[in-house]
Amino acid sequence: EMSLVESGGGLVQPGGSLRLSCAASGFTFSDYWMHWVRQAPGKGLEWVSRVNDDGSSTTYADSVKGRFTISRDNGKNTVYLQMNSLRAEDTAVYYCARALSGFDWGQGTLVTVSS
Amino acid sequence: DSQMTQSPSSLSASVGDRVTITCRASQDINKYVAWYQQKPGKVPKLLIYAASTLQSGVPSRFGGSRSGTEFTLTISSLQPEDVATYYCQKYNSSPYTFGQGTKLEIK
Repeated sequence: EMSLVESGGGLVQPGGSLRLSCAASGFTFSDYWMHWVRQAPGKGLEWVSRVNDDGSSTTYADSVKGRFTISRDNGKNTVYLQMNSLRAEDTAVYYCARALSGFDWGQGTLVTVSS
Repeated sequence: DSQMTQSPSSLSASVGDRVTITCRASQDINKYVAWYQQKPGKVPKLLIYAASTLQSGVPSRFGGSRSGTEFTLTISSLQPEDVATYYCQKYNSSPYTFGQGTKLEIK
């Protein structure tokens, strides 16, 4: 059965950095594009970033471009999101998702940016 | 970038009612729309992809359709367990924009 498990969330001060990880299992990880999506408290879903199957191509939402970096390690079945220059408005649950026709979701990890 | 304009933002209906939620894309995205259901405190769940294909295991009362750049999610007979927020999403290309969400409640 397909599983995505995010980790690395927590409390960070404005301007700080955090690295999220998403460990995949139950499917051939290297066959799939992977995404990060976030949801601020009480708000809707916001797509953040995606990486293609071999890691050679990435795209970002304008709100995070230049601050966040997505990457993957197909040998470890893991996708990462490096988040720098964090702001209060980055506070959200961050989900990783497997993309095929629509998204299959992990359980999410909470990132709180606050002093 | 293509926007996804979802309506209504909230909806109250009675058990057994037919419910319709609409998303309009700002440009042609072919059939590449998915619909998700998110219950309070839970992870989003894929209901429909390719505008009208029902994900395995999803009840048949859920359906999707497309007319040009307008996409519709229909619940043919609303059940109490359908209380949730519903989102559309375009997935033809980046950015993979979501609609604003529709909060569905039982009257």
